[in-house]
Amino acid sequence: KAGVTQTPRYLIKTRGQQVTLSCSPISGHRSVSWYQQTPGQGLQFLFEYFSETQRNKGNFPGRFSGRQFSNSRSEMNVSTLELGDSALYLCASSLSGGESTGELFFGEGSRLTVL
Amino acid sequence: GQSLEQPSEVTAVEGAIVQINCTYQTSGFYGLSWYQQHDGGAPTFLSYNALDGLEETGRFSSFLSRSDSYGYLLLQELQMKDSASYFCAVRDRDNYGQNFVFGPGTRLSVLP
Repeated sequence: KAGVTQTPRYLIKTRGQQVTLSCSPISGHRSVSWYQQTPGQGLQFLFEYFSETQRNKGNFPGRFSGRQFSNSRSEMNVSTLELGDSALYLCASSLSGGESTGELFFGEGSRLTVL
Repeated sequence: GQSLEQPSEVTAVEGAIVQINCTYQTSGFYGLSWYQQHDGGAPTFLSYNALDGLEETGRFSSFLSRSDSYGYLLLQELQMKDSASYFCAVRDRDNYGQNFVFGPGTRLSVLP
């Protein structure tokens, strides 16, 4: 069974640009959530999608957005990049959000560097 | 607000036992999870406690006390490969819905 796949794995952008990250969840998983990981802040919740609907969102500015497609694949977009957006962006999938099992399956992440 | 606290670093020797504590303050609570993350790798799930008590999975055990808003991860018979960061996470509910809130992580170093 294939795991969670995130692309691209590494990318470098400059301030003001935008970026789109992709996540393919484990087959059959309908929930996809996104996290930002930085050394100082740990894992910060961005948003969760379930069956193409945003079910929850974290405390991030509107520059951060996402969507989920009918095949459960998800994308997140960051517009007008700032230096502080440099981070590892992790995607996690689960059958229904991990409510009963507490388990999320994470991808390897997309490491974004903003110059 | 939501907050979880963990020690930032723990060091132990091979074969020893180490306990990583986690205290939490959240508006809702559905359970406490633990994740392991090696440098450059993805976080991987270790255990989950929804009810008070001890859960054992091989060399790893996890404990929860909901009345104390406290839990811990116990690693026995430490091996070099256990050197990693360990995160506790609470399934919480806020105004928007349920989500996982992660602690800052504890970096475990296992020495020979």
